[in-house]
Amino acid sequence: DADVTQTPRNRITKTGKRIMLECSQTKGHDRMYWYRQDPGLGLRLIYYSFDVKDINKGEISDGYSVSRQAQAKFSLSLESAIPNQTALYFCATSELSGADTQYFGPGTRLTVL
Amino acid sequence: KQEVTQIPAALSVPEGENLVLNCSFTDSAIYNLQWFRQDPGKGLTSLLLIQSSQREQTSGRLNASLDKSSGRSTLYIAASQPGDSATYLCAVKPISSGSARQLTFGSGTQLTVLP
Repeated sequence: DADVTQTPRNRITKTGKRIMLECSQTKGHDRMYWYRQDPGLGLRLIYYSFDVKDINKGEISDGYSVSRQAQAKFSLSLESAIPNQTALYFCATSELSGADTQYFGPGTRLTVL
Repeated sequence: KQEVTQIPAALSVPEGENLVLNCSFTDSAIYNLQWFRQDPGKGLTSLLLIQSSQREQTSGRLNASLDKSSGRSTLYIAASQPGDSATYLCAVKPISSGSARQLTFGSGTQLTVLP
């Protein structure tokens, strides 16, 4: 089984709808991240969490919110989706210490019509 | 603000060739640099991580180098194989305190190795 899982893997929705993307991990890591990837722009950080009580905005947090329900779960919400939020979304985890290598989920492809 | 650039955006080579992928960054105050591989439908997989005090790291047919003073890193792939076809991304982590130490990614080089 994969260490970092994301659901759904693909989602098509309409403008104005509320969407939640979920991430679960079995690696026991404290740190979790949400990124979006757009063609030609690389990955950009949306939000990150260093433990259950710690939530931080990343580079592009506007229009998004997150919830860290447990050490193993980190959800990303789009309260009112808009077309320019169409992208590939990745969840990642890392350990508190050491080299802080990040481990990525398989991604969620979101299309907002 | 740190900017990471990867050129070319796409590269196609015949099987067996040795090749070099390039990554440049604008701020040399980095903590480490990582190279990732991204396959379609899958997440990113970390290939090599170079600490700021290191010059290179090797894993199998892969060798990554780091020159902080010039703001450059290269990923060398020896004897390329069709299975190496993927998008390769580099990412840098800045020297910052606390939660500001987050990765900045390049946009990647899409590599195709032709049989």
